[in-house]
Amino acid sequence: DTAVSQTPKYLVTQMGNDKSIKCEQNLGHDTMYWYKQDSKKFLKIMFSYNNKELIINETVPNRFSPKSPDKAHLNLHINSLELGDSAVYFCASSQRSLGDEQYFGPGTRLTVT
Amino acid sequence: AQSVSQHNHHVILSEAASLELGCNYSYGGTVNLFWYVQYPGQHLQLLLKYFSGDPLVKGIKGFEAEFIKSKFSFNLRKPSVQWSDTAEYFCAVTDLTDKLIFGTGTRLQVFP
Repeated sequence: DTAVSQTPKYLVTQMGNDKSIKCEQNLGHDTMYWYKQDSKKFLKIMFSYNNKELIINETVPNRFSPKSPDKAHLNLHINSLELGDSAVYFCASSQRSLGDEQYFGPGTRLTVT
Repeated sequence: AQSVSQHNHHVILSEAASLELGCNYSYGGTVNLFWYVQYPGQHLQLLLKYFSGDPLVKGIKGFEAEFIKSKFSFNLRKPSVQWSDTAEYFCAVTDLTDKLIFGTGTRLQVFP
């Protein structure tokens, strides 16, 4: 009965590769998010989708492309990975739009070597 | 732009000590306020939230927080901490566009 799930949990890859992280929520929420947590534990929003539509796109390199095939899924694809992309990526969802309580997934620890 | 300050970066306490973690934000309009906890190796979980009403909010695991509008603060408190409270604590506040802005976190270590 996992609420927000992410795969994979760990991802180790080399610079220049392309990788994807998947997120699914079974809470029936309308809004989903991607956050990046750096090595100092600072959490910053990257993207937000509401009913498959992009509503937040922070200053993120365009190597990062979110895709929402339906409102229960929000995947993150990263092209040409760089060392600085190493971080923990959290997916989250909320019932309605921004400002609501957000439920977080377990995180994906991405290490770029 | 909204910003959130957590003044205590690292707090070390003994079990049964009282806890207060500071959180201040900059935007003075209507805000929603949250405290999240991240136990070692785990995802963020909501401790408590304030949207409106009684400014003293009670959350899970004996935590509470008080919203003081005049001070732009939302400090987290617990009268008696336990070893299992060892975690990273994040204050978060909505900004003008309702986006959630997180503080830099406070690492709490509780020793038996």
